Amino acid sequence: NAGVTQTPKFRILKIGQSMTLQCTQDMNHNYMYWYRQDPGMGLKLIYYSVGAGITDKGEVPNGYNVSRSTTEDFPLRLELAAPSQTSVYFCASSHRQGMNTEAFFGQGTRLTVV
Amino acid sequence: DQQVKQNSPSLSVQEGRISILNCDYTNSMFDYFLWYKKYPAEGPTFLISISSIKDKNEDGRFTVFLNKSAKHLSLHIVPSQPGDSAVYFCAASATPDMRFGAGTRLTVKP
Repeated sequence: NAGVTQTPKFRILKIGQSMTLQCTQDMNHNYMYWYRQDPGMGLKLIYYSVGAGITDKGEVPNGYNVSRSTTEDFPLRLELAAPSQTSVYFCASSHRQGMNTEAFFGQGTRLTVV
Repeated sequence: DQQVKQNSPSLSVQEGRISILNCDYTNSMFDYFLWYKKYPAEGPTFLISISSIKDKNEDGRFTVFLNKSAKHLSLHIVPSQPGDSAVYFCAASATPDMRFGAGTRLTVKP
């Protein structure tokens, strides 16, 4: 069972470049999330989605965009990379029915903007 | 604003003793609370959860307590083992989003 898969694992971007962080899950979960974790800090919610075609902003959405065209995929787009976006990014998914509220996380993408 | 707070960045305990990790929240709309464990270079993994209608949930060595009036929850690990050494995140959920605390690094010494 693959669970939540993120690609790439590492990436170095120059200021102003753009990139897409990929996230896919094979558990048929309806809820998906993007978080960032800065050094010594907790996870901050960037965007989330409650199903295909539906996305909403979290705590720190500025500088990012998302789309959810399928249940499985939830890519995160950085249009104009800035040093403040240097972070580790985690994608997660959950089923959100009854007691099944735990989220499953990918291994993370470590992004450095120079 | 920080809706979920873990005020202790680190905790060190002796193997076999109890570890108590604390978490406070501000949003009374949260209906589920969860604890995640994270090792370096890995994503967080789910440990245990509790619904807002309960005040205690146990799973083996792990017990989570919820005090709604104080907006406080805690994770007890008994007995603590060296393999428990990791960063523990408290999370709170109000459908549909989920917010995390800053984490507490637990070190269990042999």
